[in-house]
Amino acid sequence: SQQGEEDPQALSIQEGENATMNCSYKTSINNLQWYRQNSGRGLVHLILIRSNEREKHSGRLRVTLDTSKKSSSLLITASRAADTASYFCATDNGSSNTGKLIFGQGTTLQVKP
Amino acid sequence: GAGVSQSPRYKVAKRGQDVALRCDPISGHVSLFWYQQALGQGPEFLTYFQNEAQLDKSGLPSDRFFAERPEGSVSTLKIQRTQQEDSAVYLCASSTSPGTSREQFFGPGTRLTVL
Repeated sequence: SQQGEEDPQALSIQEGENATMNCSYKTSINNLQWYRQNSGRGLVHLILIRSNEREKHSGRLRVTLDTSKKSSSLLITASRAADTASYFCATDNGSSNTGKLIFGQGTTLQVKP
Repeated sequence: GAGVSQSPRYKVAKRGQDVALRCDPISGHVSLFWYQQALGQGPEFLTYFQNEAQLDKSGLPSDRFFAERPEGSVSTLKIQRTQQEDSAVYLCASSTSPGTSREQFFGPGTRLTVL
């Protein structure tokens, strides 16, 4: 069974616009990660945010985490056609130390040139 | 450097056949994970190895699924008597060491189609 719900399921924007994706999860966590998947490169790690952090930036990516609401958001600024992909949030199970990830169902982003 | 590789990339099997899927993790990575990804869904955890020890196999859907990593590097996921519901992409991932704060590096996956 999957941990998270992602919203929206699909998103279509024009190049240059910002894209926001949201993720909710169910259990306590140690950290939350975001991954991107496209047919060319498979699943690629984007960013990790720890449970004691509220916001993190990496280039054009901004991630927020609200542990009281068990939710996270990923903002991609100034989107490019190359950002077209599926985006997944993934959490650990707060009581497990193996590092196994529990993924959401993903948001499919299309960026039109 | 070389990333995680998987073979074959595509596998078509007739229902009832056995299949073996191979994963070559990044050299020196202690942790190895297998995930199953159905069409349009996120990956779902199958099993975890720390070196050669299989420490978590809670995600394996049935006893037809078996995984091994005998020397702590290459891993094989075997599915016996394949069923149509086994059709999915099987992803392998590795990370440097155990723990929850580690980035996982994923292979390209093996797309299994069971007819």
